[in-house]
Amino acid sequence: NAGVTQTPKFRILKIGQSMTLQCTQDMNHNYMYWYRQDPGMGLKLIYYSVGAGITDKGEVPNGYNVSRSTTEDFPLRLELAAPSQTSVYFCASSYSRVAGGNEQFFGPGTRLTVL
Amino acid sequence: DAKTTQPTSMDCAEGRAANLPCNHSTISGNEYVYWYRQIHSQGPQYIIHGLKNNETNEMASLIITEDRKSSTLILPHATLRDTAVYYCIAYSGAGSYQLTFGKGTKLSVIP
Repeated sequence: NAGVTQTPKFRILKIGQSMTLQCTQDMNHNYMYWYRQDPGMGLKLIYYSVGAGITDKGEVPNGYNVSRSTTEDFPLRLELAAPSQTSVYFCASSYSRVAGGNEQFFGPGTRLTVL
Repeated sequence: DAKTTQPTSMDCAEGRAANLPCNHSTISGNEYVYWYRQIHSQGPQYIIHGLKNNETNEMASLIITEDRKSSTLILPHATLRDTAVYYCIAYSGAGSYQLTFGKGTKLSVIP
């Protein structure tokens, strides 16, 4: 199993450009998540999905969009990049969301810089 | 979910046990304690979780006090590869499915 994979690993965007961060998992997990991590800080949830076709906002959704057409893929879209979106983005997945079963598996991250 | 408090940093000698404390004095009865770690620049890695009984797996042991207000993650024989930021998280499964990662404890394993 590859687990959770993310592409690209690094990206530099100019202000106003758009891009899609790709995330794929091969564990057949229903639950998928996008987090961002700013330097020296903890992770903040951007969006999550409980299954194909179902997504919902997390703590910091502004400036982002997501879709979930298959169980495996959960892309994150930035429409108009801003310097405030410079961060490291992590995708994660889990089999369950119940209190004792939400072990989340994380991808390696995408480092995004907006100039 | 309950707020957790951890020391900012700790050192541990290689080969010795690393004991990482976490305070969660307002934890409710249905909240589990999860531990993750993040090695520099990598994605967080799940370590262990528990409700009220002590737990052990191949990576670590988790000791939760009887009143559940605090817990300790134990790495029995720390290696240089265990140098990382360790996060203690209280999670109930209610509301969003977010695991709230604070700033964690930076553990440095020293040769």
